[in-house]
Amino acid sequence: DTGVSQNPRHKITKRGQNVTFRCDPISEHNRLYWYRQTLGQGPEFLTYFQNEAQLEKSRLLSDRFSAERPKGSFSTLEIQRTEQGDSAMYLCASSGDSTGGTEAFFGQGTRLTVV
Amino acid sequence: AQSVAQPEDQVNVAEGNPLTVKCTYSVSGNPYLFWYVQYPNRGLQFLLKYITGDNLVKGSYGFEAEFNKSQTSFHLKKPSALVSDSALYFCAVRVPSGGYQKVTFGIGTKLQVIP
Repeated sequence: DTGVSQNPRHKITKRGQNVTFRCDPISEHNRLYWYRQTLGQGPEFLTYFQNEAQLEKSRLLSDRFSAERPKGSFSTLEIQRTEQGDSAMYLCASSGDSTGGTEAFFGQGTRLTVV
Repeated sequence: AQSVAQPEDQVNVAEGNPLTVKCTYSVSGNPYLFWYVQYPNRGLQFLLKYITGDNLVKGSYGFEAEFNKSQTSFHLKKPSALVSDSALYFCAVRVPSGGYQKVTFGIGTKLQVIP
């Protein structure tokens, strides 16, 4: 297992378009998280899945954002009708029950640029 | 609400000298505290955590951190800095109760180790 994998690594889109990102967590990890990071800031929590259930959502996750984790494996984050303010690095992380979810492994992120 | 403050945007230290990166937190109840490191073009990497027990926790790459409840601090330390320690360091906090998984990150401190 090579760790948390995110695709694509970079995405440039026009304002108003929809985009979808994918995250493949470490295979034995049942917990999956999405964060957003803008320049000069720390990661901001977006949402959390335990297996296929989405258990927490931040108020940052507007109705244009939706995340899924079918079958409790990979996850997708979709942004509809993108806005310039959505430009950021989107980070995915996973963790396992062996640490009670207290040690998260992060992917390299998907950098979104909305033009 | 939970929050983290990293009061220094940048810390400069000479190679071989001890280093400290400061972090204070605000949370209701007993916190889980974390340090992560971010190298250029790489994902966030877990360094260490405080959950309970000994206030001094040891982590990866020779780093350690001391939990101080009265000062609500969790400063990161290393006895002898290496040039390869130069990176962006994030402190983070989580409230452990009720299965709550949201982790709040600070804005990061850039550590520059000077040869």
